[in-house]
Amino acid sequence: EPEVTQTPSHQVTQMGQEVILRCVPISNHLYFYWYRQILGQKVEFLVSFYNNEISEKSEIFDDQFSVERPDGSNFTLKIRSTKLEDSAMYFCASSEALAQTGDGELFFGEGSRLTVL
Amino acid sequence: DQQVKQNSPSLSVQEGRISILNCDYTNSMFDYFLWYKKYPAEGPTFLISISSIKDKNEDGRFTVFLNKSAKHLSLHIVPSQPGDSAVYFCAASASSGGSYIPTFGRGTSLIVHP
Repeated sequence: EPEVTQTPSHQVTQMGQEVILRCVPISNHLYFYWYRQILGQKVEFLVSFYNNEISEKSEIFDDQFSVERPDGSNFTLKIRSTKLEDSAMYFCASSEALAQTGDGELFFGEGSRLTVL
Repeated sequence: DQQVKQNSPSLSVQEGRISILNCDYTNSMFDYFLWYKKYPAEGPTFLISISSIKDKNEDGRFTVFLNKSAKHLSLHIVPSQPGDSAVYFCAASASSGGSYIPTFGRGTSLIVHP
């Protein structure tokens, strides 16, 4: 069964360092998302990506964050200068269509745990 | 700003009994609701959804009920099985006036005891 894959599964970094989290969405999916979950808190939307551009982003997704789909398969989240509060599990997701359609459910990866020291 | 609220962080149920997970929302623009299940060390997986034009959707042991006037939905699992033990996330999205992007709640951890 097709699945969303994410790397790395866990990254530890020093505050102020750049981090890139990688995702390979399901191949025929058109919509891509990043969510994060800080320990004990809700799953928070960061950004969605469609047709090679950001379609929506939350207030969390500030100038320190960027996304890219460099080669048509990978979908990356970059945090330019990490802060302690960026420590979270970051989930990539993809969907074939928008949520309201029959094929709109999001398929999530297993997550990348980011620990900022 | 919690637009989707799951007020019970955990629920413990005996195998074979019914599990009822509750979810409340505040945004009246939401018109599509989803439940996701998450096992440890895995990403959330889609379980069941319901459109606001319906008040019930059933899929095997899982039924979602929607009460639009109360802005409340619930997920019923019957009979509950130990393999159902997971964190359940309620999510909601809007088709107009805003975002198609699902907004998630904090999740409810369900434990089904044998």
